[in-house]
Amino acid sequence: AQSVAQPEDQVNVAEGNPLTVKCTYSVSGNPYLFWYVQYPNRGLQFLLKYITGDNLVKGSYGFEAEFNKSQTSFHLKKPSALVSDSALYFCAVRDTYGGATNKLIFGTGTLLAVQP
Amino acid sequence: DAGVTQSPTHLIKTRGQQVTLRCSPKSGHDTVSWYQQALGQGPQFIFQYYEEEERQRGNFPDRFSGHQYPNYSSELNVNALLLGDSALYLCASSPTYNEQFFGPGTRLTVL
Repeated sequence: AQSVAQPEDQVNVAEGNPLTVKCTYSVSGNPYLFWYVQYPNRGLQFLLKYITGDNLVKGSYGFEAEFNKSQTSFHLKKPSALVSDSALYFCAVRDTYGGATNKLIFGTGTLLAVQP
Repeated sequence: DAGVTQSPTHLIKTRGQQVTLRCSPKSGHDTVSWYQQALGQGPQFIFQYYEEEERQRGNFPDRFSGHQYPNYSSELNVNALLLGDSALYLCASSPTYNEQFFGPGTRLTVL
């Protein structure tokens, strides 16, 4: 079965420091990978995606993600964290089973806390 | 251009009741998916609608049903509500086979 794992429930980082939120995946075939962010009492906002091409993907709000096929990872990164980046982050993979849909399978989420 | 909209924002029901949640997709999007996000969990896929047909279904019982209208808007219906149905229900729309854009969700509380 296809899945994603986010091994950290919470990541704490000081404002101005680099941040990394980890994600590993398990899929058959080529992975379509996504990162979404969720602020309290809000829906999910799309940050970035990897379909094919460069392993370093740039997205919204200064975030980027590095695709590593050998390690089956898709870690989210930002060079300098802001307090306003504090939110819940979800990694997701497109399910390639069950017909031609773009159904997403989500990880359990990682809470990012940026301290001033 | 409005994004994905959902109504109502919040809803409180009692066990055994029925509920209908509504979603209007982003302009130009023809595919609507519904997800259930329980507290502390990632969203779980319920089903997806395209061309007014249910195209794929997740691991949810038949109490969960849906509909898509010709203008691509969609409804999620849940019958015989259980306490465990309390969750944030997210609607997502997309152009065919592309990335999904999510609405703000409907918070359902079952008492």
